[in-house]
Amino acid sequence: DTAVSQTPKYLVTQMGNDKSIKCEQNLGHDTMYWYKQDSKKFLKIMFSYNNKELIINETVPNRFSPKSPDKAHLNLHINSLELGDSAVYFCASSRDPESFTFGSGTRLTVV
Amino acid sequence: EDKVVQSPLSLVVHEGDTVTLNCSYEVTNFRSLLWYKQEKKAPTFLFMLTSSGIEKKSGRLSSILDKKELFSILNITATQTGDSAIYLCAVAGGTSYGKLTFGQGTILTVHP
Repeated sequence: DTAVSQTPKYLVTQMGNDKSIKCEQNLGHDTMYWYKQDSKKFLKIMFSYNNKELIINETVPNRFSPKSPDKAHLNLHINSLELGDSAVYFCASSRDPESFTFGSGTRLTVV
Repeated sequence: EDKVVQSPLSLVVHEGDTVTLNCSYEVTNFRSLLWYKQEKKAPTFLFMLTSSGIEKKSGRLSSILDKKELFSILNITATQTGDSAIYLCAVAGGTSYGKLTFGQGTILTVHP
């Protein structure tokens, strides 16, 4: 009965590979997000979808592509992984600011 | 560009001390300011503030917002080792719907 679930929790991969992170929420929220938390613990928004429509696309390399098949799912695909992509990626969903709920994060390590 | 700045970046105290964490912001179309606590995994919600001067309280934690001076403080009294965490301030606003802009966080360490 996890509210926002992400898989996998840990991902170790080599430079140049392509990988995906999946996210699902069962809260009935209309909006979903991907945030990146770097080694200095700074949380920065990457993308936001509202009812499957992309509404926020911050300055993120084209190698990152979100996909929302329905409003309960928002997946993140990353092509040609680089060392600098190593971070913790958080999925989140909300109906309003107070209901903002994070997933438990995916720790991506690129070697 | 929306901006949220927290200070100090890190703080080390002993159990029983009182701490004050600061958050200042520059955001267009401000809607609310939120505080989160992050331990090992995802940030967990503490407070949401929308009005100036009204203190929100939960046990030993309290927070207040000043919309004129564009800042908020989070107070923790009688700190315990379990308060050790990263405290994140975020602001809802800007031109993008639903977006939370986060500060860089304050790392609080409470020693026994």
